[in-house]
Amino acid sequence: GNSVTQMEGPVTLSEEAFLTINCTYTATGYPSLFWYVQYPGEGLQLLLKATKADDKGSNKGFEATYRKETTSFHLEKGSVQVSDSAVYFCALSYYGNNRLAFGKGNQVVVIP
Amino acid sequence: DTGVSQDPRHKITKRGQNVTFRCDPISEHNRLYWYRQTLGQGPEFLTYFQNEAQLEKSRLLSDRFSAERPKGSFSTLEIQRTEQGDSAMYLCASSEGGTGRNTEAFFGQGTRLTVV
Repeated sequence: GNSVTQMEGPVTLSEEAFLTINCTYTATGYPSLFWYVQYPGEGLQLLLKATKADDKGSNKGFEATYRKETTSFHLEKGSVQVSDSAVYFCALSYYGNNRLAFGKGNQVVVIP
Repeated sequence: DTGVSQDPRHKITKRGQNVTFRCDPISEHNRLYWYRQTLGQGPEFLTYFQNEAQLEKSRLLSDRFSAERPKGSFSTLEIQRTEQGDSAMYLCASSEGGTGRNTEAFFGQGTRLTVV
């Protein structure tokens, strides 16, 4: 079936450090790929998306590139801030009903 | 429009009781989705509606679960004879009805259910 795998465990890093969260997917066909973010006490928010191979999604300094050859959609940010502390979910959906399949999420903690 | 709203935000119930949650989607959105999220996991799809029609149900949605969207606007999710394993965050999302790849789902803040 269609699934998303995120790297294990929380991520703790210092302010201004480089952030990478790995995401790989298993799917038939050509899904759309997403990163959602959940800040403390808030609902899931779409951070960025890419709908076809080699597309790069970007928002708020975060970037992710849809890599069909490696079935990956890794999230990166060059210089994190304390306000980036949140849980990040990678997800995919299919053309049609747009329902989402999520990874387990990664807690990111940025220390001043 | 204030986005997707869910009620209640928190619910504590005794095992065996019935509970009902409500979701009010963004008003112009045709599609409405329910997801369940347990601790340390990502949300898992339960069911979705296109207007008032329930078009897909996950195998996670046992016979004790029922969802409705009677007029194509708000939706309710009912769990009968709750079990401790039903304890989770129940998330509602809505999106426009198009089939295009750029259709974005907007999530509510969820209803946290605790079965004791």
